[in-house]
Amino acid sequence: KQEVTQIPAALSVPEGENLVLNCSFTDSAIYNLQWFRQDPGKGLTSLLLIQSSQREQTSGRLNASLDKSSGRSTLYIAASQPGDSATYLCAVSGGYNKLIFGAGTRLAVHP
Amino acid sequence: DVKVTQSSRYLVKRTGEKVFLECVQDMDHENMFWYRQDPGLGLRLIYFSYDVKMKEKGDIPEGYSVSREKKERFSLILESASTNQTSMYLCASSSSGGGLSEAFFGQGTRLTVV
Repeated sequence: KQEVTQIPAALSVPEGENLVLNCSFTDSAIYNLQWFRQDPGKGLTSLLLIQSSQREQTSGRLNASLDKSSGRSTLYIAASQPGDSATYLCAVSGGYNKLIFGAGTRLAVHP
Repeated sequence: DVKVTQSSRYLVKRTGEKVFLECVQDMDHENMFWYRQDPGLGLRLIYFSYDVKMKEKGDIPEGYSVSREKKERFSLILESASTNQTSMYLCASSSSGGGLSEAFFGQGTRLTVV
């Protein structure tokens, strides 16, 4: 059974730091991996999708990498801002594109 | 802009009531999903549908049913609401494109059963 783990569970940093959030999964038979952002009490916003054949994707200050063989992904956030404060979730996609989620990393960026 | 819309942001229902949560997507997606999110337990899949009138159980289907009569609409039904169904419910949709398929979520419904 697929299991997704995110480390760290929580992170508090000063504005301007570069950050790395980690995600690992146990079964490499995935269609893709998605990173989401969730603000308190809200739904999920898709940040990046990496197909299983890809190594990385970039969007603005965000870069996500995927090493399928080792079951790892990282989300890199450059020059963090207070507006980046949120919970970040990674999810892997299997049959019927069902998503299996990690527990998330709660990020706080303080001015 | 792609959109998944859930009918309510907040709901308060009484124990034993039949509750309907509605979800509509405007992207012509084949797949639709219902998740619930609880502190310490993360997001768990309740039911999903890969086509009109087709449905499959997820990890925690007990106490729930679903309906998909039209492609754009996926309803979650709590047959007899109980307090342990107090939760955040999230609807999602995606195409059937395998690795290219990106999931999009609604804004969530916070359900409280009293």
